[in-house]
Amino acid sequence: KAGVTQTPRYLIKTRGQQVTLSCSPISGHRSVSWYQQTPGQGLQFLFEYFSETQRNKGNFPGRFSGRQFSNSRSEMNVSTLELGDSALYLCASGPLSAGGPTGELFFGEGSRLTVL
Amino acid sequence: AQSVTQLGSHVSVSEGALVLLRCNYSSSVPPYLFWYVQYPNQGLQLLLKYTTGATLVKGINGFEAEFKKSETSFHLTKPSAHMSDAAEYFCAVRRINDYKLSFGAGTTVTVRA
Repeated sequence: KAGVTQTPRYLIKTRGQQVTLSCSPISGHRSVSWYQQTPGQGLQFLFEYFSETQRNKGNFPGRFSGRQFSNSRSEMNVSTLELGDSALYLCASGPLSAGGPTGELFFGEGSRLTVL
Repeated sequence: AQSVTQLGSHVSVSEGALVLLRCNYSSSVPPYLFWYVQYPNQGLQLLLKYTTGATLVKGINGFEAEFKKSETSFHLTKPSAHMSDAAEYFCAVRRINDYKLSFGAGTTVTVRA
């Protein structure tokens, strides 16, 4: 079974540009979450999607947005990039039981964004 | 809000020695608890999890952790460290029926030959 796939793995942008990151979850997983990892702030929750609906959102400015498609694939977008947006962006997918999420999250290898 | 505290940002152990990584959480209701490991330039890999049932859980690579509700702790141990255990370890919690994970700050493990 293929794992969580994130593209691109590395990218460099300049301040003011925008970026779109893509995530393909494990087959059959319907929940996709995004996390930002930086040396200073650690791992922070960005948002979570299930069946194309955002269910949870972390404490990030509106420049950070995301969406989920009908095939569960997800994208996140960051507009008007700032130097502080340089980070590893991790996508995770999870299974869903009838009673709600009971399993762990499976993480991709991340997209490392550098903003110059 | 839930929070997770990992005591010690850096732990150095000798090969063959005990590895002990400490994690405490704050939650009014016992949450689900996880330990993840991250190797350089990689994502997070699940070591083990506690959801319900037995409080001593065994994970991959010889790691285990014990959930102690009275102490709100979920410490990770491995009896004998191997060079391949050098990595960063994260403790995480989430509420039941909620996919949002709250992570600790992480502990970097260095293994000395």
